[in-house]
Amino acid sequence: GAGVSQSPSNKVTEKGKDVELRCDPISGHTALYWYRQSLGQGLEFLIYFQGNSAPDKSGLPSDRFSAERTGGSVSTLTIQRTQQEDSAVYLCASSLQGRLRNYNEQFFGPGTRLTVL
Amino acid sequence: KNEVEQSPQNLTAQEGEFITINCSYSVGISALHWLQQHPGGGIVSLFMLSSGKKKHGRLIATINIQEKHSSLHITASHPRDSAVYICAVTMNYGGATNKLIFGTGTLLAVQP
Repeated sequence: GAGVSQSPSNKVTEKGKDVELRCDPISGHTALYWYRQSLGQGLEFLIYFQGNSAPDKSGLPSDRFSAERTGGSVSTLTIQRTQQEDSAVYLCASSLQGRLRNYNEQFFGPGTRLTVL
Repeated sequence: KNEVEQSPQNLTAQEGEFITINCSYSVGISALHWLQQHPGGGIVSLFMLSSGKKKHGRLIATINIQEKHSSLHITASHPRDSAVYICAVTMNYGGATNKLIFGTGTLLAVQP
C-alpha cells in the first residue's frame, strides 16, 4: 500500500514568509510525528499527534511553529515568519498505536526540504 | 551529553567485511530503533527491539537492556550498504508520546 507522503518535496522561500508543509500518513495509522533534520542539529522531534488526544508540542522550537491534524489523517506543519535557521528537511512519520503496547515502528515520509533565503 | 550516543561517527569498510555500529543510551527506554538513510534518500526503519536480538537478511541487531547498549551488525557488507545508520530510542517515562530521540548517526562507506 501507499507509504507516508509529503508535499512539497522542496520549498524555497524568502525570510519572513509563511510556509505550509503537508503530510499524508499511512491509512489507518493513528499516530503522526513531525521531525526536523538539519545540518547542525541532526534529527529532532517537533510534534506528535495521537488520535483525539492533545498533541505533544514539546519539540516545537518557537511559537512561529504550529501544526494541526484534521480528521485524524492529514497533517499540516506551518512555519510563520520563516528565518534562515528554519532551513532543514522536515520529516513526517506515522505508526499504529497498538492496544497492548504504545510503541510501534514508525514509517517515514520522504521529507520536505525547506530553504529559507 | 546526548541521551543517545553512537560510534563510530564514520566508518569505511571493504566489501565483504563484517561491520559493527554501536549505540549507547542513558535513559529508560521502551524500544530502540535502527534506521537507515541513503544519501539524499528517505529514512527506513530496519529494526525495532526492546530485548534480545533480531535478524533480517545480512543485518543483525542486538540490545542489552542492563548495559543500555545496542549493536547493529552487517555481515558480508556490500557497497549498497553505504548509508547513514541512525540509532533512536523511545523513552519509557509513562507518558503518551512515543517520540524518537536520535543519535547523531554513523556514516558507513563500503568500498568495492
